[in-house]
Amino acid sequence: QSALTQPRSVSGSPGQSVTISCTGTSSDVGGYNYVSWYQQHPGKAPKLMIYDVSKRPSGVPDRFSGSRSGNTASLTISGLQAVDEADYYCCSYAGSSSDYTSLYVFGSGTKVTVL
Amino acid sequence: QVQLQESGPGLVEPSQTLSLTCTVSGDSISSGGYYWSWIRQHPGKGLEWIGYIYYSGSTYYNPSLKSRFTISVDTSQNQFSLKLSSVTAADTAIYYCARTGSVPDYWGQGTLVTVSS
Repeated sequence: QSALTQPRSVSGSPGQSVTISCTGTSSDVGGYNYVSWYQQHPGKAPKLMIYDVSKRPSGVPDRFSGSRSGNTASLTISGLQAVDEADYYCCSYAGSSSDYTSLYVFGSGTKVTVL
Repeated sequence: QVQLQESGPGLVEPSQTLSLTCTVSGDSISSGGYYWSWIRQHPGKGLEWIGYIYYSGSTYYNPSLKSRFTISVDTSQNQFSLKLSSVTAADTAIYYCARTGSVPDYWGQGTLVTVSS
């Protein structure tokens, strides 16, 4: 099963906004309201930043927001800070309609660089 | 605060069976509110969902990974485990356990497993 498609890298200056896209299909991103985003610093475990497309867990700054249009989900980081430099992964529930489908699929990952 | 901690050998010989355990604190597996997943990350690569288990023992695995994985649960110890048989170098990865509601939310710190003789 193919991973969800993310840009390899995005960059921005402190204070700017960056948006990361995550493109799937109607069988995953476009078919369920279970899209999540994770932040991963080097050598650390992924940290949940957004779940159910646009919800923020307690403790996650409101600079992070999620949205979806059709089969593409997006993560926007506003007011970019140096601490936001990390890898970001999207994830979507993909159901169990097929014997060949993983229940969860991840994106290929995007490196965010703060210039 | 929910915490998960993976444990197991960091080095496994080819063709042997890898065994990992995830110990959960701050939540009870037997409460039934969540599934409990294993996820791996090959060095420098992306994330791959392996499968999950419910407190009842019901499991679901990633079909693309074939049938070498087995996930089990021990509610008395508030732990769940992963076994991977006939390992090869391609199974070298960081293995994470994660609580899973609609999506994986709380993750363990991960444990690096290297397959080598």
